[in-house]
Amino acid sequence: QVQLQESGPGVVKSSDPLSLTCSVSGGSIFSHSWSWLRQAPGKGLEWIGYLSKGGTTNYNPSFKTRVAFSSDTSKNQFSLRLTSVTAADTAVYYCARGGAFGDFSFDYWGRGALVTVSS
Amino acid sequence: QSALTQPRSVSGSPGQSVSISCTGTSSDVGGYNYVSWYQQYPGNAPQLLISDVTVRPSGVPDRFSGSKSGSTASLTISGLQAEDEAEYFCASFAGYRHPFLFGTGTTVSVL
Repeated sequence: QVQLQESGPGVVKSSDPLSLTCSVSGGSIFSHSWSWLRQAPGKGLEWIGYLSKGGTTNYNPSFKTRVAFSSDTSKNQFSLRLTSVTAADTAVYYCARGGAFGDFSFDYWGRGALVTVSS
Repeated sequence: QSALTQPRSVSGSPGQSVSISCTGTSSDVGGYNYVSWYQQYPGNAPQLLISDVTVRPSGVPDRFSGSKSGSTASLTISGLQAEDEAEYFCASFAGYRHPFLFGTGTTVSVL
């Protein structure tokens, strides 16, 4: 059974970078693509981008200049870094399996990590 | 890119059928057979119900079904149960430049 777990600070100061890591168990990050998504309080879901199993990335144009994904294959983890955050970036951040070509849905999700941007 | 349009809420009595629409454009829902549906309980992560318009993953009850006509996809819940009371989101592939759009979300209430 594939399991994902987000980790990182729950509070980030405005204009600082937001960094989260997703630890994957029960499957290799080489075998699928992986995405980050978020959900602002009381709002819908927003796709941030994906990391393909080949290591390429594709980001939502809304975040393109502020976002970067990376992976640590030795730990079976992948990470999100979002720079210059504002209150509008306050959300529950989810990592999920899927997103790239051939994986057009998100079949496993982490429990989510609430990140609050403080002033 | 705008979010896909869903009704804010739908409701039904136990045993009835309800449908949730997800309206996009020819650049997303209408252009690809890659619509997926998710169920979300308050405070929980979304769970995949339907992929590729009509495919139900293992473990998802067969009372959930998906379809598409033109640029509108639909999720139908047949034989509504109390446990189906949740938020439902659709998502669609929308091309390489902006691969995924999500719907605005629909609250299903069981009367």
